[in-house]
Amino acid sequence: QKEVEQDPGPLSVPEGAIVSLNCTYSNSAFQYFMWYRQYSRKGPELLMYTYSSGNKEDGRFTAQVDKSSKYISLFIRDSQPSDSATYLCAMSDRGSTLGRLYFGRGTQLTVWP
Amino acid sequence: GAGVSQTPSNKVTEKGKYVELRCDPISGHTALYWYRQSLGQGPEFLIYFQGTGAADDSGLPNDRFFAVRPEGSVSTLKIQRTERGDSAVYLCASSLTEADTQYFGPGTRLTVL
Repeated sequence: QKEVEQDPGPLSVPEGAIVSLNCTYSNSAFQYFMWYRQYSRKGPELLMYTYSSGNKEDGRFTAQVDKSSKYISLFIRDSQPSDSATYLCAMSDRGSTLGRLYFGRGTQLTVWP
Repeated sequence: GAGVSQTPSNKVTEKGKYVELRCDPISGHTALYWYRQSLGQGPEFLIYFQGTGAADDSGLPNDRFFAVRPEGSVSTLKIQRTERGDSAVYLCASSLTEADTQYFGPGTRLTVL
């Protein structure tokens, strides 16, 4: 079993839809949770970053972390065609593996006009 | 300012050959990371440097892989006796310190024939 599990999709939604992306993890030491967006043939770019449990909102994006369930989510409101990309969750414990990130396999999202 | 750059963007080589992949981090970033991303997968950690020294090389798959960062800036990932299974996108990231956000480069797409 991988430390971070993420459904690869693909996920296809109409413009304006609310998108929900999720990851589960097994390592209870993970404290820092990130969502990266990756366009085709580009490197990942950081979208959201949260520490421990709770919610964080940034514009159309909301990240949620539930450490008791080892479950994290990213919500995209009013989705746009420009949101079409692969979304990667990532996490670290910033302890013995300081700096090292553990990624999910990514969910491919298409938003059609 | 300039982001993380990687050269070459694409590299095609034959099985058994030696390759070098270069990463130029963001100026002033002390931490540098190498990840490998196979098709349809998330990035997998290989090694990271704090300054000139390898702080964690536990992700290197075997002794054919080696990385250096002699002056604490540019890094080179070296792969000896390449195998077809080494084909992947090799991503480099840098961060201000090992506790900060990682910024990724566009990657080098390595194809071993």
